[in-house]
Amino acid sequence: DAGVIQSPRHEVTEMGQEVTLRCKPISGHDYLFWYRQTMMRGLELLIYFNNNVPIDDSGMPEDRFSAKMPNASFSTLKIQPSEPRDSAVYFCASCRDNQPQHFGDGTRLSIL
Amino acid sequence: AQTVTQSQPEMSVQEAETVTLSCTYDTSENNYYLFWYKQPPSRQMILVIRQEAYKQQNATENRFSVNFQKAAKSFSLKISDSQLGDTAMYFCAYSLVSGGGADGLTFGKGTHLIIQP
Repeated sequence: DAGVIQSPRHEVTEMGQEVTLRCKPISGHDYLFWYRQTMMRGLELLIYFNNNVPIDDSGMPEDRFSAKMPNASFSTLKIQPSEPRDSAVYFCASCRDNQPQHFGDGTRLSIL
Repeated sequence: AQTVTQSQPEMSVQEAETVTLSCTYDTSENNYYLFWYKQPPSRQMILVIRQEAYKQQNATENRFSVNFQKAAKSFSLKISDSQLGDTAMYFCAYSLVSGGGADGLTFGKGTHLIIQP
């Protein structure tokens, strides 16, 4: 059974460029979460979806960040324009009902 | 807002010893979940153990057990017979129980556990 799949695993881009991170949740999971991990702030919840509908986006840092879930098997987190302070590891996680969340391997994003 | 505090940035023990990682949290809710996640250098986030706040009995998973003190809002993780593979960052996390559905996790800053040979 495949786990949560994130792509790319690493992304290096220049400031000002648009960045798109992708996530495929585990089949049958109706919740999807995006987290960000930095040395300074640790792991933070950015946004989560239930049945493809955004439930809580209060953790999204600013308007440069947006997330979508067009269907049950795909979500994107977009940063436009990117800034060096967006450099972090971004995790996607999914779960069913109130079961524990399963995490993807994360995307390490570096903005130069 | 809920907060999770891990007061030990780093710990180091010898292989085969028992080690306890501390975690305290703050919440006004009565029904919630507590978790310990392990993050090895590969950066995967691996669930170690989960505790439901309404359950009195402490959760156990093989060499891993918790000491859950609800009144004190304390949730420590004990690792028995520690192994080299236990070397990792350990994160304590909190999640509200919301109508049978899921909620986002609030994480502590983590404890870097090093198991020495």
